[in-house]
Amino acid sequence: DAKTTQPPSMDCAEGRAANLPCNHSTISGNEYVYWYRQIHSQGPQYIIHGLKNNETNEMASLIITEDRKSSTLILPHATLRDTAVYYCIVRVFGNEKLTFGTGTRLTIIP
Amino acid sequence: SAVISQKPSRDICQRGTSLTIQCQVDSQVTMMFWYRQQPGQSLTLIATANQGSEATYESGFVIDKFPISRPNLTFSTLTVSNMSPEDSSIYLCSVEGRGRGTEAFFGQGTRLTVV
Repeated sequence: DAKTTQPPSMDCAEGRAANLPCNHSTISGNEYVYWYRQIHSQGPQYIIHGLKNNETNEMASLIITEDRKSSTLILPHATLRDTAVYYCIVRVFGNEKLTFGTGTRLTIIP
Repeated sequence: SAVISQKPSRDICQRGTSLTIQCQVDSQVTMMFWYRQQPGQSLTLIATANQGSEATYESGFVIDKFPISRPNLTFSTLTVSNMSPEDSSIYLCSVEGRGRGTEAFFGQGTRLTVV
């Protein structure tokens, strides 16, 4: 699976959009981009995934660049409960194993 | 979605002893995964457990240290053997969602402290 690079930490004001970047410059054509988050003392939680088109669900939006070498997770209206470590993972569809990087620690500020 | 129950949620153990962690899923799943999260670190996959066959271990993890059982499609156990303080970590069970390539679900984890 391709390696990902994320900033170690970010702050975002409550109510604003949180934009979390991820670089995956060695991504292959059959690899998807997945995002998970881990709130303190809990197991990771799935957020969203995509291949090349932008995706949106009730939790977030995923923007993938045209060359697929980077992506951005957007939390449109961040709340204090969004404070967590966010992991960007690239993996082949159908490969059930997840390789976690160091993630981005997002802190939502009141 | 899948609901995963892990037991115990936390434990403090003496070095040299062993602890068995249980993972129960509310639906039948083909693969179950065990991860370790050392203090302040990210998650690392220990092994993949399939029903009816031996677990597949990742590099750096061996069966003698982390024996795994998978007696049926809803249950698995991970044993941490002959523990040392370096084994103090959170151990998490995970399963794949319905359909290949969909999201994974995680248990709440077992926080192990070895003294």
